[in-house]
Amino acid sequence: KQEVTQIPAALSVPEGENLVLNCSFTDSAIYNLQWFRQDPGKGLTSLLLIQSSQREQTSGRLNASLDKSSGRSTLYIAASQPGDSATYLCAASGGYQKVTFGTGTKLQVIP
Amino acid sequence: EPEVTQTPSHQVTQMGQEVILRCVPISNHLYFYWYRQILGQKVEFLVSFYNNEISEKSEIFDDQFSVERPDGSNFTLKIRSTKLEDSAMYFCASSDTPGIPKETQYFGPGTRLLVL
Repeated sequence: KQEVTQIPAALSVPEGENLVLNCSFTDSAIYNLQWFRQDPGKGLTSLLLIQSSQREQTSGRLNASLDKSSGRSTLYIAASQPGDSATYLCAASGGYQKVTFGTGTKLQVIP
Repeated sequence: EPEVTQTPSHQVTQMGQEVILRCVPISNHLYFYWYRQILGQKVEFLVSFYNNEISEKSEIFDDQFSVERPDGSNFTLKIRSTKLEDSAMYFCASSDTPGIPKETQYFGPGTRLLVL
């Protein structure tokens, strides 16, 4: 059974700082790994999807990496802004529809 | 950009009542999903649906739950007799290419269900 863990659970940084969010998963037989953003009381916004054959994906100030062999993914946020404050979730897809989510990292960027 | 929509955004119900949560997936998608998130906990998979039948379901999805695609656009989750522990945010998602590495599930904004 896939288990997805995210560290840290919460993170507070000053504006402008670069930061790294960590995600680990127990079953390396994944199809892809996806990073989502969730604002309080809101739905999930997909940020980046890394296919199992890929090592990283970039979108603007976000860069996500994937190391299947070690069961790890990281989300790098450059030059953080107050608007980046949200909970970030990683989710591993083991193929055929079932996605396993991590517990999330709650990020606060202080102006 | 196409998006998944869900109604209602909030629902309050009494324990033991039936509720139906509605979702309109992205129009050309064929695979549909329900997830739930109890406050402060992980997002959990409930069920996936394709070709008018359930493809996979979790242990959470017991006989109190059912899903249906009553027409060409809606996808519903019914909870037959709600319990206090059913209080959660329920997310619908859809995709067009499951089972391949580039599959992306697109999520709706969620329905917050509160059972009193």
